[in-house]
Amino acid sequence: SAVISQKPSRDICQRGTSLTIQCQVDSQVTMMFWYRQQPGQSLTLIATANQGSEATYESGFVIDKFPISRPNLTFSTLTVSNMSPEDSSIYLCSVGMRMVYNEQFFGPGTRLTVL
Amino acid sequence: AQTVTQSQPEMSVQEAETVTLSCTYDTSESDYYLFWYKQPPSRQMILVIRQEAYKQQNATENRFSVNFQKAAKSFSLKISDSQLGDAAMYFCAYRSASSSGSRLTFGEGTQLTVNP
Repeated sequence: SAVISQKPSRDICQRGTSLTIQCQVDSQVTMMFWYRQQPGQSLTLIATANQGSEATYESGFVIDKFPISRPNLTFSTLTVSNMSPEDSSIYLCSVGMRMVYNEQFFGPGTRLTVL
Repeated sequence: AQTVTQSQPEMSVQEAETVTLSCTYDTSESDYYLFWYKQPPSRQMILVIRQEAYKQQNATENRFSVNFQKAAKSFSLKISDSQLGDAAMYFCAYRSASSSGSRLTFGEGTQLTVNP
């Protein structure tokens, strides 16, 4: 398995500002993913963070709003830009490990509230 | 595109009893993986059980077992001897087995309450 940490664990932000969420893994992983979980809802994939290249975004999510970095095989950041109250969600980092039955392991999440 | 449907927004069970959570999915692929994840109030996503589509035998992990019906595209989770710590949101998830199909597609979730 993998141990995943996220910073911050929660934050309250003003509209119009940006927040960068960090995801750190205790081992090198090929695949890293960012999910959004809006209040009372399921998880939706934002993008796949690719090491050494641009992230791959899902329909409905754009790089200008959710820029992602993946500088190495153990770290990634997600920025939520120009925030509005609709961005209030839990943001979860996940890693895929093919050698472990193709499982995905999740970080503890970042709870973001935008006022 | 694949879709996952959980038709039970909420379920409740008495402690020590058995409960079954339903999940159906839609896919045109023949090889894939199915998962049940648990999300307690701490919001940490915890893998409960996995099933490879090519395996006919239903997966079992201690008190948790699945009923995988590939033809019917059904993947239900049975929790036996329910415990208070089982109370959580449960998500069914699908993942393609293709090299490019790394993403998980989640159902809407079922909120499980365990009554003492």
